[in-house]
Amino acid sequence: AQSVSQHNHHVILSEAASLELGCNYSYGGTVNLFWYVQYPGQHLQLLLKYFSGDPLVKGIKGFEAEFIKSKFSFNLRKPSVQWSDTAEYFCAVKGGSQGNLIFGKGTKLSVKP
Amino acid sequence: SQTIHQWPATLVQPVGSPLSLECTVEGTSNPNLYWYRQAAGRGLQLLFYSVGIGQISSEVPQNLSASRPQDRQFILSSKKLLLSDSGFYLCAWSVGSLNEKLFFGSGTQLSVL
Repeated sequence: AQSVSQHNHHVILSEAASLELGCNYSYGGTVNLFWYVQYPGQHLQLLLKYFSGDPLVKGIKGFEAEFIKSKFSFNLRKPSVQWSDTAEYFCAVKGGSQGNLIFGKGTKLSVKP
Repeated sequence: SQTIHQWPATLVQPVGSPLSLECTVEGTSNPNLYWYRQAAGRGLQLLFYSVGIGQISSEVPQNLSASRPQDRQFILSSKKLLLSDSGFYLCAWSVGSLNEKLFFGSGTQLSVL
């Protein structure tokens, strides 16, 4: 069965620090990969997605994620975080064309000004 | 533009009472509709999804049921709530292929006492 693991429950960074949030999945076939974000008081929304092609995906607000097939990983990165990046981040995986979207438990990011 | 409405925002219900949570989508036709539950520390769990009126797929056996009486209306119900039904319930929609870009509602915080 598909599963998604996010390594960190809560990450606390200072502004301008670099960010990397880990995401690993278990699924043997073709996957579509997503990062969703929920800012305080707002709806959960899509940050970026990978379907095929270049494994380095650029998203909104300077975020990027890299799909490493051999490691079953899709880590989220940002070179320099801002206070406004404070949010909860969810990794999600869809296995195959008919698969369901399986979410990780989420990582809360707190950025100190 | 498309919008999704979910209500109520919060709900406190006694054990054994019925439940009805409603979700409606505006600005799109024939959307895929989803109900997710987010329990503390457990991420987002898919409960039901629907690809059309009257078509409901259940992912997890449980005390809840879902119905889609109209194209853009998705209802989550229970005849008798359990304590374990407490959680944060999210409705979402997408178009085209299932489980690709999802748009989420604002959620309902359900407390069963």
